[in-house]
Amino acid sequence: AQTVTQSQPEMSVQEAETVTLSCTYDTSESNYYLFWYKQPPSRQMILVIRQEAYKQQNATENRFSVNFQKAAKSFSLKISDSQLGDTAMYFCAFMKHDSGGSNYKLTFGKGTLLTVNP
Amino acid sequence: NAGVTQTPKFQVLKTGQSMTLQCAQDMNHEYMSWYRQDPGMGLRLIHYSVGAGITDQGEVPNGYNVSRSTTEDFPLRLLSAAPSQTSVYFCASTPHGRQYEQYFGPGTRLTVT
Repeated sequence: AQTVTQSQPEMSVQEAETVTLSCTYDTSESNYYLFWYKQPPSRQMILVIRQEAYKQQNATENRFSVNFQKAAKSFSLKISDSQLGDTAMYFCAFMKHDSGGSNYKLTFGKGTLLTVNP
Repeated sequence: NAGVTQTPKFQVLKTGQSMTLQCAQDMNHEYMSWYRQDPGMGLRLIHYSVGAGITDQGEVPNGYNVSRSTTEDFPLRLLSAAPSQTSVYFCASTPHGRQYEQYFGPGTRLTVT
């Protein structure tokens, strides 16, 4: 079974600064997906960024980027130029890749509550 | 498209009562699932379905039943609610062959007293 660990229950950052959220995972699979989801106070789950394990290049989405270290089983999220709207709970998640595309189960970490201060 | 819808948004039950949380999607997605979110626990998979007529258990299935009679709907039933089922429940759907695309509903906050 896979496990996902987020060791920072809470973090804070000043507006316009950069912050990095940590995530480690444990799996025996060689091919998988990793995700970061954002959950603002509205409760809606919003996909921030996705990484395929077979890709060496780190994924980026505007101000959001990841540092994917497959050997170390580490998947951190960097938020640049933090904005007040980035205040949310952030979840790291793992999904085993299935060549037939029939595995859809997500395993989540416990989350990191990020507060962006003005 | 309305996407994934869940009803109700909020519900309070007494211990021992039963109820059904509704989930529907209008995107013709094959795969649907239910998660629960508890403080400090992240989201955990309760049940899932890979198509109409096919369901299976996830990580925390006890106390919940599901059925999938249509592609669109995937209701979650609590037969005898317990305080331990107080949680926020999320339904999600995924199109076939794109397992990395999960569409989440807005969630149902359930309190069992």
